Order: sequence, then structure tokens, then C-alpha cells
Amino acid sequence: GENVEQHPSTLSVQEGDSAVIKCTYSDSASNYFPWYKQELGKRPQLIIDIRSNVGEKKDQRIAVTLNKTAKHFSLHITETQPEDSAVYFCAARQWAAGNKLTFGGGTRVLVKP
Amino acid sequence: SAVISQKPSRDICQRGTSLTIQCQVDSQVTMMFWYRQQPGQSLTLIATANQGSEATYESGFVIDKFPISRPNLTFSTLTVSNMSPEDSSIYLCSVVGLTSGSWDEQFFGPGTRLTVL
Repeated sequence: GENVEQHPSTLSVQEGDSAVIKCTYSDSASNYFPWYKQELGKRPQLIIDIRSNVGEKKDQRIAVTLNKTAKHFSLHITETQPEDSAVYFCAARQWAAGNKLTFGGGTRVLVKP
Repeated sequence: SAVISQKPSRDICQRGTSLTIQCQVDSQVTMMFWYRQQPGQSLTLIATANQGSEATYESGFVIDKFPISRPNLTFSTLTVSNMSPEDSSIYLCSVVGLTSGSWDEQFFGPGTRLTVL
């Protein structure tokens, strides 16, 4: 089955700096890669996703890149703000495998004012 | 946007008892899943809830412990049976196919925080 590894497990940045979280996946058949943000006590919220036919996608201060050859994808947050502090999860999915998401271990991001 | 709700939001239960968690979506969805999130951990898929048939369980999860129902396209239940303290966790339902999102985006309910004493 799919295995997703996520690094780093914790990330502390100064407000205004950039944050980068990296994930690798094992199954080359995976074709959909979402990112979720989970604030303390809240549900995971889908913040951005990328499909295997796209190399990069941006939405305001967040962007995701995908390297299918190397089987890794990354989340980039620019101009970080205190409200970006949360746990971020990457995931990978193979539509043909029952549309199941496999999650990375999570990254706890702390933005220091 | 569509609403995913879960009941109860939290519960404290005695070991050996069972708890049924409900997930209700205010529009029809194509797929429903149940996840477990232990404190400070990532999300682990328990099973896919199949409408009108038996759920599909992931490795390490069995129907006797986690019976699931999905009688229609907007509702599912997860029962945690014969509970032990190790079952203390957050249980989340998740859906695919909301009309408010892309056809394959996956969204989560608010979760049920379960504590077993």
C-alpha cells in the first residue's frame, strides 16, 4: 500500500518568513495530493491540492509543487502570519484504490510574532 | 457550503460499553469514510462506509469492533464496541463528492472526542 512520509515534524518560523513542508510517497500510481490544516481542537481543513498532471499550484500565500519522478511534493507558505500556526498534513491518493487517502505524520508549524 | 455534522461531539464512556457515532451530511455524497486520530497523531483510516453493503475495513480494524452502517447517501454510523482505554481518540467522518467542492475533494466532519475510563 501507499506510504507517505512528511518532514519536518515541527517547524518554527518568524512572522513574515516562509515555511516549507516536504512529503514523499511510495506508490507511483498515486495521482492526487491534498494538504490539510488542522487547528487545535478543530477538524482538518483542505487548504490546497494538486493532481498528477500539474507541477505547481498557487493560491495566494500558499503553493504546492509536485515532482512525480522523485515522488515528492511540498507545501510552501510565504509571508507567514500567526494564524498560519497549526498542524499541516499531506496526503496521497490513488483513485483506482478506492479513493482512500494516506496521510503523512503531520508538521506542527509555529509562527512567532 | 455543505454541512457535515457528527453526534455526539464528545463522550466519556466506561470500558466494556459501546458507543455509536453518527455522521450526517446535508447533501448526497459519493463516498463516506471513518478515520481515527489519536492524541497528537495523524489520521488513520478505519473503513470506507459503503451505501447499502458491508463496509470495507483497513488492516488492523475489524467489523466486530467497529461496525459501520450507511443506509443512504447522506448518513453513516460508526460503533466502537466493547471499549477499552486504548479506544480513546477522536473519530472523524469524511466525505467525497460534495457539490460545493470539486468532485473528488475530501472533507471532514467536526469529529467525536471519545474518552474511555
